[in-house]
Amino acid sequence: DTGVSQNPRHKITKRGQNVTFRCDPISEHNRLYWYRQTLGQGPEFLTYFQNEAQLEKSRLLSDRFSAERPKGSFSTLEIQRTEQGDSAMYLCASSLVGTGAEAFFGQGTRLTVV
Amino acid sequence: EDKVVQSPLSLVVHEGDTVTLNCSYEVTNFRSLLWYKQEKKAPTFLFMLTSSGIEKKSGRLSSILDKKELFSILNITATQTGDSAVYLCAVEHAGGTSYGKLTFGQGTILTVHP
Repeated sequence: DTGVSQNPRHKITKRGQNVTFRCDPISEHNRLYWYRQTLGQGPEFLTYFQNEAQLEKSRLLSDRFSAERPKGSFSTLEIQRTEQGDSAMYLCASSLVGTGAEAFFGQGTRLTVV
Repeated sequence: EDKVVQSPLSLVVHEGDTVTLNCSYEVTNFRSLLWYKQEKKAPTFLFMLTSSGIEKKSGRLSSILDKKELFSILNITATQTGDSAVYLCAVEHAGGTSYGKLTFGQGTILTVHP
């Protein structure tokens, strides 16, 4: 499968715990995006990378959220001290900037904080 | 603040009906408008529109963009139950560090009954 891959697909955690999600983009794509989607809403931008550089971070993203993309390949999104309001689908997408091509999405990680 | 608004929020039709989904936007540095279909998983790409007045077609789906009035429509003719999904409209940003970033609307939930 050469698409965008996200792991895990589902995560249930207790409030206050830390969680980490992983995204493996399409291999030649230099842009990687993280979005969050809650029920009945469209995806909400969180942050994105071009290669290993984090270019923009949503002001909605609290300091409990951090993302990395070491070596410009896979990316991780960590949420510290999870809260029930963090329950959502976390989507990763990748694209090849400059080609005019669309972003491709992974299947998402569904986080449930209990 | 960048804004993408879709209407209606939900739509219920019978097989064979034709539907029109609307998307209006107010964003800085517009580059393109994209339509995605989401069926319980990752959004899948439908269309990318960059120029006004040029209709894009794929089978029973078609879309057009009006950059003067800042809106797009997605038409689906002869609907089938397999068209049931959330249809997402997104605007791609141009320029600076926001280049390639997508701002999504809240989506239109389409339900097609047999």
